[in-house]
Amino acid sequence: GDSVTQMEGPVTLSEEAFLTINCTYTATGYPSLFWYVQYPGEGLQLLLKATKADDKGSNKGFEATYRKETTSFHLEKGSVQVSDSAVYFCALSPNQAGTALIFGKGTTLSVSS
Amino acid sequence: EPEVTQTPSHQVTQMGQEVILRCVPISNHLYFYWYRQILGQKVEFLVSFYNNEISEKSEIFDDQFSVERPDGSNFTLKIRSTKLEDSAMYFCASLHNGGSYNEQFFGPGTRLTVL
Repeated sequence: GDSVTQMEGPVTLSEEAFLTINCTYTATGYPSLFWYVQYPGEGLQLLLKATKADDKGSNKGFEATYRKETTSFHLEKGSVQVSDSAVYFCALSPNQAGTALIFGKGTTLSVSS
Repeated sequence: EPEVTQTPSHQVTQMGQEVILRCVPISNHLYFYWYRQILGQKVEFLVSFYNNEISEKSEIFDDQFSVERPDGSNFTLKIRSTKLEDSAMYFCASLHNGGSYNEQFFGPGTRLTVL
């Protein structure tokens, strides 16, 4: 079945460092891909999305490009802030009406000043 | 901006008791979901609901679970006889339609603690 694999955390960075969180997927067909963020004590918020190959999703300085050839959707940010400390989840949605999201295990990011 | 709401934010119950978790999805959305997240683990799908019936469910969603949309706004998850391993954060989500974006909007979650 479809699945998402994320790099193991936690990721610990200093403020202004470059961030990469790796995400690869296995899917039949052409899924949509998402990054969700969960700040401490809060629910899941959509960070960015991409719906087809070579699409780049971006939001709040974060970017991810849908790479069909490598089945990847890595999350990047050029300069992280302390406020980016959170858990990041990569997810996919098979492109069938209303189907459930499939999440990776999540990667905890901790940014220190 | 419309949002998904969930009540209560935290529920503590004794093992074997019934609990009902409540959600109010975004008003013009058509698909509704429950997910759960056991502490420190990934988010897992439980069930989806469309057109007043279950459209998909996972292996986790066994006979002790049920969902209902009792009126035009609420969407509930009932656990008939809670177990210790049901302790988790439960998230409700809704989706406007089944188009290719499939962007689900999540509520803030209900933390269920079974003692």
